[in-house]
Amino acid sequence: DVKVTQSSRYLVKRTGEKVFLECVQDMDHENMFWYRQDPGLGLRLIYFSYDVKMKEKGDIPEGYSVSREKKERFSLILESASTNQTSMYLCASEDRRRTGNTIYFGEGSWLTVV
Amino acid sequence: DQQVKQNSPSLSVQEGRISILNCDYTNSMFDYFLWYKKYPAEGPTFLISISSIKDKNEDGRFTVFLNKSAKHLSLHIVPSQPGDSAVYFCAASAQGGSEKLVFGKGTKLTVNP
Repeated sequence: DVKVTQSSRYLVKRTGEKVFLECVQDMDHENMFWYRQDPGLGLRLIYFSYDVKMKEKGDIPEGYSVSREKKERFSLILESASTNQTSMYLCASEDRRRTGNTIYFGEGSWLTVV
Repeated sequence: DQQVKQNSPSLSVQEGRISILNCDYTNSMFDYFLWYKKYPAEGPTFLISISSIKDKNEDGRFTVFLNKSAKHLSLHIVPSQPGDSAVYFCAASAQGGSEKLVFGKGTKLTVNP
């Protein structure tokens, strides 16, 4: 079974704080993703990475950055958290050697910015 | 510009009956479609997919139908069970990697005992 682990399930941070969300996958997948999910808005792609040290912007990258120093780990960084970044954040990974676009999600990180 | 639309935000059905979740898309280049299921406070889990070369794919109680001419797909759950209560996301991609996956906004299914 694919395992995508998000280290923090629930966080409460203050406005202006720097926030790190960590994600680790154990299946040697090349592709990794960060999404946020908000009610009525579905899943929106923030950033993705298709290899170590590679990153590409998704649909809503503003206010976020990412880091991929190792293949299994993909971090999402909020340099200065704001209340509109209160959301559920989902990490995902994909084996791009396989056909089809089946991505596997972690359990999510609930971030509240106060 | 919403390329993948799930027009029903919610759906309620009785246990044992059929649940039909609908999804419309606008991009004729989409060639692969997926359904994900999501419970509260958990990440989405892959449910079933279909390639554009097919019009039906079945996996146990779950069947996905694709009507390319209408740009419409649907997920049928028969029989529905209370454990199927979740939010269902439709997603589509066009000959690309998963960064090209476009998700719908989801439909919340409630199956009543």
